[in-house]
Amino acid sequence: QQQVKQSPQSLIVQKGGISIINCAYENTAFDYFPWYQQFPGKGPALLIAIRPDVSEKKEGRFTISFNKSAKQFSLHIMDSQPGDSATYFCAASKRNNNDMRFGAGTRLTVKP
Amino acid sequence: DSGVTQTPKHLITATGQRVTLRCSPRSGDLSVYWYQQSLDQGLQFLIQYYNGEERAKGNILERFSAQQFPDLHSELNLSSLELGDSALYFCASSAHRPGVGSGNTIYFGEGSWLTVV
Repeated sequence: QQQVKQSPQSLIVQKGGISIINCAYENTAFDYFPWYQQFPGKGPALLIAIRPDVSEKKEGRFTISFNKSAKQFSLHIMDSQPGDSATYFCAASKRNNNDMRFGAGTRLTVKP
Repeated sequence: DSGVTQTPKHLITATGQRVTLRCSPRSGDLSVYWYQQSLDQGLQFLIQYYNGEERAKGNILERFSAQQFPDLHSELNLSSLELGDSALYFCASSAHRPGVGSGNTIYFGEGSWLTVV
């Protein structure tokens, strides 16, 4: 049972465009929402994270938007570059623990 | 380099066999996690240990077991292997201390590719 639902499964964007990946969760015990980036042959690595007390967090070209009432959060990649081509996972972990539950992943391809 | 070391990197074995995957966490990290990544199911949480004790269990099959040793390294044992167990198995670690909030970064190793033939 997927505790965090992620869409789309794959995404193709032109260089310079905006990539948007969406996630939804049900369990209100989740209180930490990171995004991980995974390149082929490598393990996932933390990209950016947010807590539900803020609605948006921005780091460079990467922004998380968080809607607590809708239990949804999304990753926006501005000015997408070919080097951003990777698989992106949203995740959530519960209050007082760290057993991260991941979405199914989105394979992003940025075309030159 | 995340600092999490996994061995072996690749493993091919036959159905019915048993294998052990090994993980050394980042220096100082007491929490260790195991995840299974298959093509159609993303990253599935298997189990979490903290300082030698099991802390959380996910979708881990009864044929699988894990432990964390006093030196903090961890092993994932997979037995009676089936074709469907073929996957990339990740170990991860964090500085998280249970009961002291959430949000510690989880650092992943590069995974162990298991192929069951």
